[in-house]
Amino acid sequence: DAKTTQPPSMDCAEGRAANLPCNHSTISGNEYVYWYRQIHSQGPQYIIHGLKNNETNEMASLIITEDRKSSTLILPHATLRDTAVYYCIVNSGGYQKVTFGTGTKLQVIP
Amino acid sequence: DAGVIQSPRHEVTEMGQEVTLRCKPISGHNSLFWYRQTMMRGLELLIYFNNNVPIDDSGMPEDRFSAKMPNASFSTLKIQPSEPRDSAVYFCASLRQGSSNEQFFGPGTRLTVL
Repeated sequence: DAKTTQPPSMDCAEGRAANLPCNHSTISGNEYVYWYRQIHSQGPQYIIHGLKNNETNEMASLIITEDRKSSTLILPHATLRDTAVYYCIVNSGGYQKVTFGTGTKLQVIP
Repeated sequence: DAGVIQSPRHEVTEMGQEVTLRCKPISGHNSLFWYRQTMMRGLELLIYFNNNVPIDDSGMPEDRFSAKMPNASFSTLKIQPSEPRDSAVYFCASLRQGSSNEQFFGPGTRLTVL
């Protein structure tokens, strides 16, 4: 599975959009981009995934560049409860063996 | 749906003792994963099963660790003998292949080996 690179930490003001970048320059054609988050001491929680088209659900939006080498997770109106570590993962599906990197620690500030 | 259930939630034991962690995946899910999380190493995949069969156990740290899945609704992770460096939070996750392939994680078991 391709490796990903994320900034170790970010801050975001409450109510503003949080844009979390992820670089996956070695992604292959059959690999999806998945995002999970882990709120302190809880198990990771799935947020969204996509292949090449932008995706949106009730939690977030996922923007994937045309060359698929990077993506951005957007939380449109961050709240204090969005403070968590966000993991970007690329995976080809199937048995979905995933490797969680170090993620981005997002701190939402009042 | 109760989600993925893990027990115990907390376990404190002494070095050399046997530890058994338990997991009940979500009904209808056919893949199950065991992870370990520490501050130093982050979240590591230990082993995963598909249709109760172990597919990849390359993440199991050593022979002291073993995992079983006797049926679709139950899995165990056993450490024998336990060592202080095994102290970590152990997560179980499950998914149903053919859906969005999202993994559903349990609340974890916090293991402390003294």
